[in-house]
Amino acid sequence: NAGVTQTPKFRILKIGQSMTLQCTQDMNHNYMYWYRQDPGMGLKLIYYSVGAGITDKGEVPNGYNVSRSTTEDFPLRLELAAPSQTSVYFCASKTSGGHNEQFFGPGTRLTVL
Amino acid sequence: QQQVKQSPQSLIVQKGGIPIINCAYENTAFDYFPWYQQFPGKGPALLIAIRPDVSEKKEGRFTISFNKSAKQFSLHIMDSQPGDSATYFCAASIGNNDMRFGAGTRLTVKP
Repeated sequence: NAGVTQTPKFRILKIGQSMTLQCTQDMNHNYMYWYRQDPGMGLKLIYYSVGAGITDKGEVPNGYNVSRSTTEDFPLRLELAAPSQTSVYFCASKTSGGHNEQFFGPGTRLTVL
Repeated sequence: QQQVKQSPQSLIVQKGGIPIINCAYENTAFDYFPWYQQFPGKGPALLIAIRPDVSEKKEGRFTISFNKSAKQFSLHIMDSQPGDSATYFCAASIGNNDMRFGAGTRLTVKP
């Protein structure tokens, strides 16, 4: 199993550009999450999904959109990139039931200039 | 408002020392308290976790101490090694969807 994979690893965007961060998991997990990690701030939840076709906002959803058409994929969309979205983005997943043990991908480092 | 406060921000110990990282939470509805370890350029990885009905949990050299009345929990690393140098995050969650992370502690273990 590859676990949780994310692409790209790095990206530089200009203000106002849009892009999609890709996340795929091969563990058949129902729950998937997107976090952003800013220096000295820990991780903050952007959006999450409890299964295909179901998504909901987390703590910091503004400026982002998500979709979940399959169990495996959970892309994060930035429509109008702003410097405040410069961050490292992590995708995570977990199985249904049990404790909230989340498995994280390697992250995407995004810079908006 | 940060719901999980973590300290210290950074910590340097000698090999064999016992670093201790502390976290405090506010919301008594939290029901799961994990610790994550993160190496540079990698995603966080679950290290150890505890539920509030247990006061201590040990896995190998890593121990969580949990004080429900004080709303505090801590991570102890016994016989620390240079390979333990990483950033450690505490977290607290309610159910499956609301995980709140501390700001992280950068640990350096000197040889």
